[in-house]
Amino acid sequence: AQSVTQPDIHITVSEGASLELRCNYSYGATPYLFWYVQSPGQGLQLLLKYFSGDTLVQGIKGFEAEFKRSQSSFNLRKPSVHWSDAAEYFCAVGMPGTYKYIFGTGTRLKVLA
Amino acid sequence: DAGVIQSPRHEVTEMGQEVTLRCKPISGHNSLFWYRQTMMRGLELLIYFNNNVPIDDSGMPEDRFSAKMPNASFSTLKIQPSEPRDSAVYFCASHLAPAGYTFGSGTRLTVV
Repeated sequence: AQSVTQPDIHITVSEGASLELRCNYSYGATPYLFWYVQSPGQGLQLLLKYFSGDTLVQGIKGFEAEFKRSQSSFNLRKPSVHWSDAAEYFCAVGMPGTYKYIFGTGTRLKVLA
Repeated sequence: DAGVIQSPRHEVTEMGQEVTLRCKPISGHNSLFWYRQTMMRGLELLIYFNNNVPIDDSGMPEDRFSAKMPNASFSTLKIQPSEPRDSAVYFCASHLAPAGYTFGSGTRLTVV
C-alpha cells in the first residue's frame, strides 16, 4: 500500500538558519510529489510539486525540494528561514492516473528569533 | 479567481443538530475533495468527486455523514445528527489534474 512518512513531528530552527524537512514515500513507481504549507487557521497552500524530469524543483517562498528515487525521498529545503515560515508542512503523494493524494502527518516548524 | 470558497468559516452547533458545510470549487476544476483535520488523526480524506460523481466515499466515518455535488460549482457535506466527536476543521479542495489540489480556508465545526 502507498504511504507517506514525515519522521519529524516538530522542528525548531533559528531565523536565518537552513532548513530541511524530510519526506519518505512507499510506492511501486514514481509518484507525483507535493509539499504544502498550512499557517494557523488557514487552508493548505501548495509550495511545489514534482511530476517528472529535473529532480530538483523550485517552489514559492524560496523553497526547493529534491526527488531521490534511490531513497524514496522528497525532502524540502530552504537556505535561510524567515520567522514567517513558521507553520505546518505536509508532504503528499499522488498516484499517476488517480486523483487521490496521500498526505503525511505533517511537520510543525518553529522559528526562533 | 477567488479560489475554493467554503462556508461557513465557523459553526457551533448542539449535539443532535444537522450541520451543512458548503463548498464552491474553482471553475474548471473537475475533481472535488472533502477532508477532515483533527489533532489526533491529522488530515483524513472523507470523499471525493470527479465530474460531479462520487468516486470514493470510503473515508466517510458513518452514515451520519453524506455529501452531494449537484453541479460543477457546488458541493455540500452534511452531518445528521452531529456529535461532539465530529468537531474538527473540514476542508474542501478542488483539482484539475495534474496541477495539485487547491484548498479552501476550511470550516471549523464545534459540536457541543
